[in-house]
Amino acid sequence: GNSVTQMEGPVTLSEEAFLTINCTYTATGYPSLFWYVQYPGEGLQLLLKATKADDKGSNKGFEATYRKETTSFHLEKGSVQVSDSAVYFCALSGIGGTSYGKLTFGQGTILTVHP
Amino acid sequence: EAGVTQFPSHSVIEKGQTVTLRCDPISGHDNLYWYRRVMGKEIKFLLHFVKESKQDESGMPNNRFLAERTGGTYSTLKVQPAELEDSGVYFCASSPGTGRTSVIWKNIQYFGAGTRLSVL
Repeated sequence: GNSVTQMEGPVTLSEEAFLTINCTYTATGYPSLFWYVQYPGEGLQLLLKATKADDKGSNKGFEATYRKETTSFHLEKGSVQVSDSAVYFCALSGIGGTSYGKLTFGQGTILTVHP
Repeated sequence: EAGVTQFPSHSVIEKGQTVTLRCDPISGHDNLYWYRRVMGKEIKFLLHFVKESKQDESGMPNNRFLAERTGGTYSTLKVQPAELEDSGVYFCASSPGTGRTSVIWKNIQYFGAGTRLSVL
């Protein structure tokens, strides 16, 4: 079945540091890949997505590239801010059978950014 | 436009009691999903409604869980009787229907804030 392995945290950075959160996946075919973010006290929000190989998703300074050859979708940001402190989830949506639409998530990575 | 709303935000019950969680999806969204995150682990899929029909309920843990979506609008998830291991955060998400199941996987799912269930 589908699975997502996400870099374990927590991750603690200083403001303006470079961020990488690793995400690799196992799936049949060509899944869509997502990064969701959960800010304190809020629900999950879509941060970015990519629907085919070599696509780059980007939003709010975050980027992730769909790498089929390495089955990866690593999240990066060049300069983090205190307001980026949140829990980040990598997820995929597969195809085939009855799996249309349902998301498979990684474990989540807690990011804390200090001033 | 209102987002996905879930009630209650937090529920504390004793083992053996019944709890009903409610989810109001974004108006017009045919697809409704339930997920659960237990004790800081990964978020896991429970089930998927298309309108009022259960498309996929492969993630439901056992028959103590009953989900309904009467009329294809809001949905309820009932746990009866609750056990300690049911504690966690229950998320609901919705996405628009496309009329073509082959592209459902591209649709973005919009999540509610979740219901934190504590079974004591």
